Amino acid sequence: EIVMTQSPATLSVSPGERATLSCRASQSVGFSLAWYQHKPGQPPRLLIYGASTRATGIPARFSGSGSGTEFTLTISSLQSEDFAVYYCQQYKDWRAFGQGTKVEIK
Amino acid sequence: EVRLVESGGDLVQPGRSLRLSCAASGFSFHDNALHWVRQGPGKGLEWVAGIGLTSSNVGYAASVAGRFTISRDNGKNSLYLQMNSLRPEDTALYYCAKQVGTTGPAGGGYFDSWGQGTPVTVSS
Repeated sequence: EIVMTQSPATLSVSPGERATLSCRASQSVGFSLAWYQHKPGQPPRLLIYGASTRATGIPARFSGSGSGTEFTLTISSLQSEDFAVYYCQQYKDWRAFGQGTKVEIK
Repeated sequence: EVRLVESGGDLVQPGRSLRLSCAASGFSFHDNALHWVRQGPGKGLEWVAGIGLTSSNVGYAASVAGRFTISRDNGKNSLYLQMNSLRPEDTALYYCAKQVGTTGPAGGGYFDSWGQGTPVTVSS
């Protein structure tokens, strides 16, 4: 079973600043890594797949990087609508989500 | 437009059963693997179960294996989750999600569409 670990649990950022979220896999998942944004009362929204490919309609300020066991989601300049919980998910071997990183307003 | 609509969530006593449904439209249902994902109160997302193009290709999280059964009816464009021997820790909002990338549920595909979820509460 692959375990996903995200850090930090909470990230306090001012609008316009850069946010960097980390995700680690307990074993290599190659590039089989997705990122989702989740806001209260809404279903999760796919942001990134294949570790670095933006999904349709996702703004360029969202970028993903990494491979193997270490991954990063970067939001280059936070907008008000970006404050949410972000989850990484491996899809190499069935599925597993990280515990989430909450991005809150500083 | 892809649409996934879950239903069947309810308040049930521990040990009882419940069947969730997910009605799909706007895509070629029989060409996509599908999954159930849940979020407990104050918790993160947890993958529950996945199914390939037929009901013979399925997988489960360890927390529900042996109690939950995922199935699909391609003629009705519907996904199901039969939940038996329910426990308080199964209390959650249950989402169905559509996989893209590959047709097998075990690996290679991520989730590009989600329903709004249906709430399940297990309590006496």
